[in-house]
Amino acid sequence: QLQLQESGPGLVKPSETLSLTCSVSGGSINTRSYFWAWIRQPPGKGLEWIGTLYYSGSTYYNPSFKSRATIPIDTSKNQFSLRLTSVTAADTAVYYCVRQYLGGAGFDPWGRGTLVIVSS
Amino acid sequence: EVVLTQSPAILSLSPGERATLSCRASQSVNTYLAWYQQKPGQAPRLLIYDASDRATGIPARFSGSGSGTDFTLTIRSLEVEDFAVYYCQQRSNWPITFGQGTRLEIK
Repeated sequence: QLQLQESGPGLVKPSETLSLTCSVSGGSINTRSYFWAWIRQPPGKGLEWIGTLYYSGSTYYNPSFKSRATIPIDTSKNQFSLRLTSVTAADTAVYYCVRQYLGGAGFDPWGRGTLVIVSS
Repeated sequence: EVVLTQSPAILSLSPGERATLSCRASQSVNTYLAWYQQKPGQAPRLLIYDASDRATGIPARFSGSGSGTDFTLTIRSLEVEDFAVYYCQQRSNWPITFGQGTRLEIK
């Protein structure tokens, strides 16, 4: 059974870079069959897609992040990451890593999520 | 960007009743639409993908329908564990977008 687990600092200072890692177990991220993605949810609010990664390294990003987001892949560790630069309090959220269906609509499964607070 | 508008924002029903949740897209998304259920403190769970296909392990009381711009999630006979927030999501066009959610609460 595929499982995803987010890890990284729970507190980041304003203007610094948020870095999270998603460790995938029970399956390989080096597959042509799926995408991999990051989604976030500010406290008490809805879901926001950040970006999507393909095993080849191709990426798609939400323009609302204005090039602040990058999603590198490390197939040797079966991990992918999120880097978000120049963070502000508005980036405080629960961050989820997810597997994304390739040919249709659907994110499944989801990691449990990790809360990142941006504060000095 | 495709805007997804969910209605109603809040739906108050009793266990055993039928729930009908709506998701309307600002432009056609064909059938590239999914539905999720989220309970407090938990990650969202995929219910329906590609507008009408139930995800693995999802009870048959959940069903999805629609294509183009109008979609519906129906819960045939509500059980207590179904009271949660529901989101729709499209991936017909980048960027991927979500609706703002419908809160299903016990009446």
